[in-house]
Amino acid sequence: SQKIEQNSEALNIQEGKTATLTCNYTNYSPAYLQWYRQDPGRGPVFLLLIRENEKEKRKERLKVTFDTTLKQSLFHITASQPADSATYLCALDNSGNTPLVFGKGTRLSVIA
Amino acid sequence: NAGVMQNPRHLVRRRGQEARLRCSPMKGHSHVYWYRQLPEEGLKFMVYLQKENIIDESGMPKERFSAEFPKEGPSILRIQQVVRGDSAAYFCASSPRLTGGTEAFFGQGTRLTVV
Repeated sequence: SQKIEQNSEALNIQEGKTATLTCNYTNYSPAYLQWYRQDPGRGPVFLLLIRENEKEKRKERLKVTFDTTLKQSLFHITASQPADSATYLCALDNSGNTPLVFGKGTRLSVIA
Repeated sequence: NAGVMQNPRHLVRRRGQEARLRCSPMKGHSHVYWYRQLPEEGLKFMVYLQKENIIDESGMPKERFSAEFPKEGPSILRIQQVVRGDSAAYFCASSPRLTGGTEAFFGQGTRLTVV
């Protein structure tokens, strides 16, 4: 059966360090993979999209990798700040055939 | 350009009542998606609509739940005869086309509590 797993429910890191979040999937062949941020009581907000033929995508302090062989995406936040504390969701995008399918998310806490 | 608007933000219903959740997509967006989120759970897809058409309702329970997106006005998610298990946050998202390399824009959600 199809499955999306984000590495851990919660991740605590020290301010200034790099946070690395993992998204693994099975029995999917997404053409794209998207990452969203969700704050408590709010709707998800889009961060980054990466295509299956792209190895890496960057946006300011954010970096996403996509390995279709390993069926894995890594999401990095460099020089993390307490304001980066939120839940981060990965979403599989099957190139227009179906709506986005989300993982459960990883709750990141950046400690000052 | 206002974002995706959902109302009400909070809704309390007694068991057996009907709940109506509204979603106005971003201007120019004709694709609307509804998701449900339980505490500590991810977003679960319910239904995908385009104007006046249900495209994919594979995630929506067969009974008591219905959705529409009329030619004029917001999309409505209707839950009849609510039960305690329906308590959740319901999010609506819109996009200018079916997500195929396109981001989805989410509303702030409606938190339904069934008492």
